[in-house]
Amino acid sequence: DTGVSQNPRHKITKRGQNVTFRCDPISEHNRLYWYRQTLGQGPEFLTYFQNEAQLEKSRLLSDRFSAERPKGSFSTLEIQRTEQGDSAMYLCASSSTSVSYEQYFGPGTRLTVT
Amino acid sequence: DAKTTQPPSMDCAEGRAANLPCNHSTISGNEYVYWYRQIHSQGPQYIIHGLKNNETNEMASLIITEDRKSSTLILPHATLRDTAVYYCIVRDNSGGSNYKLTFGKGTLLTVNP
Repeated sequence: DTGVSQNPRHKITKRGQNVTFRCDPISEHNRLYWYRQTLGQGPEFLTYFQNEAQLEKSRLLSDRFSAERPKGSFSTLEIQRTEQGDSAMYLCASSSTSVSYEQYFGPGTRLTVT
Repeated sequence: DAKTTQPPSMDCAEGRAANLPCNHSTISGNEYVYWYRQIHSQGPQYIIHGLKNNETNEMASLIITEDRKSSTLILPHATLRDTAVYYCIVRDNSGGSNYKLTFGKGTLLTVNP
């Protein structure tokens, strides 16, 4: 069991640059979630996919954010024109239809915008 | 917004039981109580969930009051590796758009040697 993997683990970028993160869920999981976590806070939901369909997006997901899951397997989260307020840990989780109560989280990508 | 209230921090001695409380006074009939924990620099990890009855698994026990307005997560023999932030979450399992988890700030449990 390889678990949920995320790449890169750390990203430092300058304000205004674009960044892209990748999430590889557990292979048989058809549901995939993105969360964002800032220091001292719990994770906040950003968006959710079932297979390749993006079914829900949070108000937190501004126009600068876009997420894709083109073949229903891995997913990417892109942030355009990064701002300092985007600095956070970006967490990916996956779950299966049959055992939907348990979400398996990856280790996260820590983004620092300077 | 999170529908749960937890103390910000708790301490426990190694080998003793850790009892983590959670208030969820506005919980509705379809909502389950979930517990996750997050060890430093890792993603959250599922622990246990329940609706009405008490639940036990290899990690912990979950005690839900009869009126379902509060619950307690019990780690029977806490170890140093149990030091983490513990999140109590209520979630409707009926499907649709309700698969997301809404985290609060959780309780930082520190297990001391």
